[in-house]
Amino acid sequence: EVQLLEFGGGLVQPGKSLRVSCAASGITFSNYAISWVRQAPGKGLEWVSGITGSGGSTYYADSVKGRFTISRDNSKNTLFLQMNSLRGEDTAIYYCATESLANGAFDNWGQGTMVTVSS
Amino acid sequence: DIQMTQSPSSLSASVGDRVTITCRASHSLSSYLNWYQQKPGKVPKLLISAASSLQSGVPSRFSGSGSGTDFTLTISSLQPEDFATYYCQQSYRNPPVFGPGTKVDIK
Repeated sequence: EVQLLEFGGGLVQPGKSLRVSCAASGITFSNYAISWVRQAPGKGLEWVSGITGSGGSTYYADSVKGRFTISRDNSKNTLFLQMNSLRGEDTAIYYCATESLANGAFDNWGQGTMVTVSS
Repeated sequence: DIQMTQSPSSLSASVGDRVTITCRASHSLSSYLNWYQQKPGKVPKLLISAASSLQSGVPSRFSGSGSGTDFTLTISSLQPEDFATYYCQQSYRNPPVFGPGTKVDIK
């Protein structure tokens, strides 16, 4: 069974940094592209960033480009999202989700970690 | 970026009703269109991938159709556990945009 567990969320002041992580089990981690998807309170789903299985390619939404950095450690089956220059609009639940090898659908999701940006 | 729209944004329906949700893309997706269900306070769940491929364990009352720019999610007979928000999402090219969602609630 695939399990994804996010951690590292919390309350952070505007302009500060935070790193969230996603630990995976039950899959051959390096085979899978993985993304971060967030959901602000009461809002819809927003894709944030994605990374290929090897880590060789990364992708970002315009809303976080230049501020967030996605990375992965395949030896530890862990995905990271380094978030710098945080803003109030970054307040959200951050989910990690694996991408289906067949069609890119997000087929496994973690429980999410809440990030609150507030002074 | 490819833009995604959904209609309606919300609907009220009764148990047993047939429900149809439409998703439209600003660019042809071929069949790279996926549907998710999210219940309040819960994690999104993949229902249908590649426009019409039902995920394992998803009830057969759910079906998806369409290709190109126009897609449909149909619930043939709405059940109490189906009241939720439904999102479409394109996986044709980066960024993988989600639609704004359709909230299905009880009439």
